[in-house]
Amino acid sequence: QVQLQQSGAELVKPGASVKLSCKASGYTFTSYYMYWVKQRPGQGLEWIGEINPSNGGTNFNEKFKSKATLTVDKSSSTAYMQLSSLTSEDSAVYYCTRSDGEGLDYWGQGTTLTVSS
Amino acid sequence: DIVMTQSHKFMSTSVGDRVSITCKASQDVSTAVAWYQQKPGQSPKLLIYWASTRHTGVPDRFTGSGSGTDYTLTISSVQAEDLALYYCQQHYSTPYTFGGGTKLEIK
Repeated sequence: QVQLQQSGAELVKPGASVKLSCKASGYTFTSYYMYWVKQRPGQGLEWIGEINPSNGGTNFNEKFKSKATLTVDKSSSTAYMQLSSLTSEDSAVYYCTRSDGEGLDYWGQGTTLTVSS
Repeated sequence: DIVMTQSHKFMSTSVGDRVSITCKASQDVSTAVAWYQQKPGQSPKLLIYWASTRHTGVPDRFTGSGSGTDYTLTISSVQAEDLALYYCQQHYSTPYTFGGGTKLEIK
């Protein structure tokens, strides 16, 4: 069965960077784009960007272009999102989710990021 | 960016009722609309894509419809377990924007 297993909760200081992971299983990793979505407490969903695991090509929401870096490791079927220059505005739950262009059909359980000194 | 507007932040309904949740896009998105259900403490789940295609395993009481800029998710007979937040999303052009969500409350 398809599973997206995300890394655990993070508590980081303002100004630092963090790298979140999403390990895929149960399907051919390179056959589906991986997306990342942000959800702040009590807020809606925000699309951060996407990566094509077959060639590493990325596409970002303009708002997150200087904030997020997306990479993959095909050998371990794992997608990564690095967030830099963290502020309190980056405190949120971050989801990885996959798509073949027909909606986001499977989601990870989410990683809670807290930015605090 | 395409703005997706869900005009009702909350909707209150009773078990067995029919309820429709609406979503309006700021431009024609050619039925590239998906609907998601998010229960408290859980990740979103895909219900509908391409405006009207039900995702695998989704009960047939959930129906999507619409075209152009206006889309609707209808639950034909609400069940207690349908208490959740519902989001629309356009998958027509990046950034793939979401609506603000509609919280379905069961009376």
